[in-house]
Amino acid sequence: GESVGLHLPTLSVQEGDNSIINCAYSNSASDYFIWYKQESGKGPQFIIDIRSNMDKRQGQRVTVLLNKTVKHLSLQIAATQPGDSAVYFCAGDTGRRALTFGSGTRLQVQP
Amino acid sequence: NAGVTQTPKFQVLKTGQSMTLQCAQDMNHEYMSWYRQDPGMGLRLIHYSVGAGITDQGEVPNGYNVSRSTTEDFPLRLLSAAPSQTSVYFCASSLGLANTEAFFGQGTRLTVV
Repeated sequence: GESVGLHLPTLSVQEGDNSIINCAYSNSASDYFIWYKQESGKGPQFIIDIRSNMDKRQGQRVTVLLNKTVKHLSLQIAATQPGDSAVYFCAGDTGRRALTFGSGTRLQVQP
Repeated sequence: NAGVTQTPKFQVLKTGQSMTLQCAQDMNHEYMSWYRQDPGMGLRLIHYSVGAGITDQGEVPNGYNVSRSTTEDFPLRLLSAAPSQTSVYFCASSLGLANTEAFFGQGTRLTVV
């Protein structure tokens, strides 16, 4: 079936560096993608989203890039801070009637 | 606004017991969903609703029932709990199903022994 997944289960970065979290999807007709951040013991929280008619979208310290040719999207976090430590999920519209989530990447920020 | 509220936060059940996980939202969203989260597997859709009186199955519906009598509430019922249902359960609401941001509750951690 159609899927949305993440490349790495864990990513470790130094405080102040930029982080890049990657995600791949299989349905070329997917129209909408979203990134969530989940801290320990909490529900997922919205970070940023992007629709398929865009290649890039920026928020506060975050940028999402969408490459429809290779069916890949990434989340870039600038100047990573300890408070960015969490699990990050990409989710997308895979043709099912609700968002499909990837398995998550745990971002560890080293001081 | 409280957003999406789930109760209880923690629950331990014995195999075969039944229970209801409560979910309420105050954003007047038509769409509500239940997901379960297991280690290394992301969130998987159990059931969803596109409005009061309308529900449908998601990816992993077996062993769960839902109903949607009001816009605000979307309870999830476990009919006869099994150890395989040990998980963290999240309720979400949104303006659309797969094309808009979903707002999540804080989760219910369920252990079935």
